[in-house]
Amino acid sequence: SAVISQKPSRDICQRGTSLTIQCQVDSQVTMMFWYRQQPGQSLTLIATANQGSEATYESGFVIDKFPISRPNLTFSTLTVSNMSPEDSSIYLCSVEDTGTGLNEQYFGPGTRLTVT
Amino acid sequence: EDKVVQSPLSLVVHEGDTVTLNCSYEVTNFRSLLWYKQEKKAPTFLFMLTSSGIEKKSGRLSSILDKKELFSILNITATQTGDSAVYLCAVEDDYKLSFGAGTTVTVRA
Repeated sequence: SAVISQKPSRDICQRGTSLTIQCQVDSQVTMMFWYRQQPGQSLTLIATANQGSEATYESGFVIDKFPISRPNLTFSTLTVSNMSPEDSSIYLCSVEDTGTGLNEQYFGPGTRLTVT
Repeated sequence: EDKVVQSPLSLVVHEGDTVTLNCSYEVTNFRSLLWYKQEKKAPTFLFMLTSSGIEKKSGRLSSILDKKELFSILNITATQTGDSAVYLCAVEDDYKLSFGAGTTVTVRA
């Protein structure tokens, strides 16, 4: 399966600032996804990032708040802008691994963000 | 809107017990159902199910899908303390995953 890394692993940020989270995959993948997991909640899809096109955002998420870059087939970034304490969550990137032909989705190790 | 419901929300068992976790779903364009184990931050992939009635097994874990009744079960036999985690069920609609709330399993020694 694809090996995914994320940076930073965790961060504590002040409200009003922005944080960019990086996601790196060890193989080329077409589809990358960004999820959020708020405390005590399950995972919610923020957006889908395909290389060469604009990210597709889910209902309730907007580009101004969560700009995404996807410069190539192995890398993506998610920025959490103008943060508030409600943005405190675990942010996870995932990829669809087509290598096996089954298209399973695997997750990176996550970034735990605390906004004070 | 896609809907994924897991039950129970939590359970506590003793080592050696068998647990059965349930996942029911309603989706527009079903593609697959996936089970994950989440211990700290990252969900770890367990199974991907696409066809009804075909059991998938990995060690003490097994899972099966019923596409007619729209549910799946995950079984863990001879539980160990290392099985303590949140087990997440997700349904793939086209390429997007919708997650259930998860089942928290606590295995006591």
